[in-house]
Amino acid sequence: AQRVTQPEKLLSVFKGAPVELKCNYSYSGSPELFWYVQYSRQRLQLLLRHISRESIKGFTADLNKGETSFHLKKPFAQEEDSAMYYCALFTGANSKLTFGKGITLSVRP
Amino acid sequence: SAVISQKPSRDICQRGTSLTIQCQVDSQVTMMFWYRQQPGQSLTLIATANQGSEATYESGFVIDKFPISRPNLTFSTLTVSNMSPEDSSIYLCSGDGEAGATYNEQFFGPGTRLTVL
Repeated sequence: AQRVTQPEKLLSVFKGAPVELKCNYSYSGSPELFWYVQYSRQRLQLLLRHISRESIKGFTADLNKGETSFHLKKPFAQEEDSAMYYCALFTGANSKLTFGKGITLSVRP
Repeated sequence: SAVISQKPSRDICQRGTSLTIQCQVDSQVTMMFWYRQQPGQSLTLIATANQGSEATYESGFVIDKFPISRPNLTFSTLTVSNMSPEDSSIYLCSGDGEAGATYNEQFFGPGTRLTVL
């Protein structure tokens, strides 16, 4: 069965520090992974998708099939990055997204 | 990307009653999904709503408790039946892309915050 693991619940950093939010997955098929973000009092929204190999708001994430990881990184955190971040795995067989438990990122001034 | 709205945005209900949550998408989407999210917690998929057929429920969720309708490609409802305080949660609706969309992400509504007394 598919699984998404986000091992940490909270990451607190100072503004300007690097950020890495960890995500590991378990899936026997070809994975399609996403990072979602939920800012305070806002809806859950897509941050980036691995298949696009894009950088959004300075965040990047590389799919590492050998380590089954999809860590989210940003070299210099900003206060406005404070939010809840969820890693999600798409499984094509039933069109479902499996979400990790999420991590709260807190960026202090 | 699709824009999704939900009604009501919040409600406070008495135990034993039922509440129907509406989800409207501004474009046609193939699949719609209903999730439950406890405050500060992850999302738990309740069911997948398919147009023209019964919803597909996840383990631990049953149709009698959470009946779902999907009358067309832009609308779905979730009813929380015979509510108890344990049903207090945020209920989220999502949709996938339009038919033929390139990517498989989902777009989410703002949620319905339900409190059961």
